[in-house]
Amino acid sequence: DSGVTQTPKHLITATGQRVTLRCSPRSGDLSVYWYQQSLDQGLQFLIQYYNGEERAKGNILERFSAQQFPDLHSELNLSSLELGDSALYFCASTQDLSGNTIYFGEGSWLTVV
Amino acid sequence: GQNIDQPTEMTATEGAIVQINCTYQTSGFNGLFWYQQHAGEAPTFLSYNVLDGLEEKGRFSSFLSRSKGYSYLLLKELQMKDSASYLCAVRAGSNDYKLSFGAGTTVTVRA
Repeated sequence: DSGVTQTPKHLITATGQRVTLRCSPRSGDLSVYWYQQSLDQGLQFLIQYYNGEERAKGNILERFSAQQFPDLHSELNLSSLELGDSALYFCASTQDLSGNTIYFGEGSWLTVV
Repeated sequence: GQNIDQPTEMTATEGAIVQINCTYQTSGFNGLFWYQQHAGEAPTFLSYNVLDGLEEKGRFSSFLSRSKGYSYLLLKELQMKDSASYLCAVRAGSNDYKLSFGAGTTVTVRA
C-alpha cells in the first residue's frame, strides 16, 4: 500500500457524460501528479499540482481539468467523455517538488461505453 | 520533447539474469527512474539514478550513463513473480519535476 488513495476504483459511464476522479496523497505529501494509461499507450503525464497550485501541464485535453484543494486532495474532472478516454487514471504524490520517490495510487479504471 | 526507448518484450528463465536497456533523448536531465508494474496495478518504485554508475538493491541493479543517454535495469535470480512490465522514466529538468515514461518492457519469466 503506497498510501495514495484513489476513488472510485472502477467506473463505467456513457459517452458525453462527466466524471470526477478523486485522489488523496500520502500524509505529508504536497505534490500530486495525474497520469493516464491506455491499453495502447504508456503512462502519459496529464498535470501536476504542488500545495494547491498548478506546477506543470502535459498533454491534457481541454475537456479535462483538475484542482488541488487546501487539504491537499486532488480531483480530476473529465467531461464530454469519448470512447477513447477509457483508460486507467493514476494519481501519484511526493513530499515536495523534487521528491525522488513518487508513489502511485492503485488507479481508477474508467470505461466509457 | 522527450524520447524514451526500451524493448517491448523480453523472456527469461527462472533463476536467470535479464538486462532491460533504456535509451533517452530529453531536453534536460534530472534523474532516471525504474518502476515495476503488474498488469492492472500501480507502478511501484524500483530505483533512481542521477549520477553515472551502478546502484544495487538486492536482486535489482540500475546503471546510468548520462553522456550516452543510457540506462539499464538488471534483474538477477529471476523469480516467477518478477513477470511484469518495467518502466523507464526520466525527469527532465530542475524546474520540471514530472516523469516522462517509456512504453515499458514486458518481462515474462518461464519455469
